[in-house]
Amino acid sequence: AQSVTQPDIHITVSEGASLELRCNYSYGATPYLFWYVQSPGQGLQLLLKYFSGDTLVQGIKGFEAEFKRSQSSFNLRKPSVHWSDAAEYFCAVGSMNYGGSQGNLIFGKGTKLSVKP
Amino acid sequence: ETGVTQTPRHLVMGMTNKKSLKCEQHLGHNAMYWYKQSAKKPLELMFVYNFKEQTENNSVPSRFSPECPNSSHLFLHLHTLQPEDSALYLCASSPRLADLRGELFFGEGSRLTVL
Repeated sequence: AQSVTQPDIHITVSEGASLELRCNYSYGATPYLFWYVQSPGQGLQLLLKYFSGDTLVQGIKGFEAEFKRSQSSFNLRKPSVHWSDAAEYFCAVGSMNYGGSQGNLIFGKGTKLSVKP
Repeated sequence: ETGVTQTPRHLVMGMTNKKSLKCEQHLGHNAMYWYKQSAKKPLELMFVYNFKEQTENNSVPSRFSPECPNSSHLFLHLHTLQPEDSALYLCASSPRLADLRGELFFGEGSRLTVL
């Protein structure tokens, strides 16, 4: 069965510091991978996605993520964090053959990011 | 106007009440979803609708009853809920059900508290 693990429940970084949020997935075939962000009191917004091709994908708000098949990982990075990046971040994996058997995206539990001034 | 609108944003109800959550999408999408977001748990898919037809019921208790009168509107009717049903209920839509290369578009959620 597909699964997504985000090992870090809560991370605090200083403004201007670099950021890496970890995501590991379990899926037999080539996955579709996503990162979503949820600001307080808001719904989820797509940051970036990977389907195939270049393993380094660029997203909105200066985020990027790298797909590493050998490590089953899709870590999210940002070189310099801004206070407005404080939010909860969710990694998700999609099945290529959805077929109605279950929801189209499996989400991790999320990582809450706090930013220190 | 946002793409996916949910009302009410906040709802407090007793265990014997009947209430409904509403979701409306203005994106021309054909698939709509209800997710439940509880503290410290992953997002849980509840229901999926494709062209108004329910294609997925993820073992959700019958006290939650969805309704999709058309591709733009989705309701979640609530009846005799339990305190553990308190959560953020998120509605989402996507252009098509089976094409996972497209993203899900989420509403801001309805925060439900059951007393």
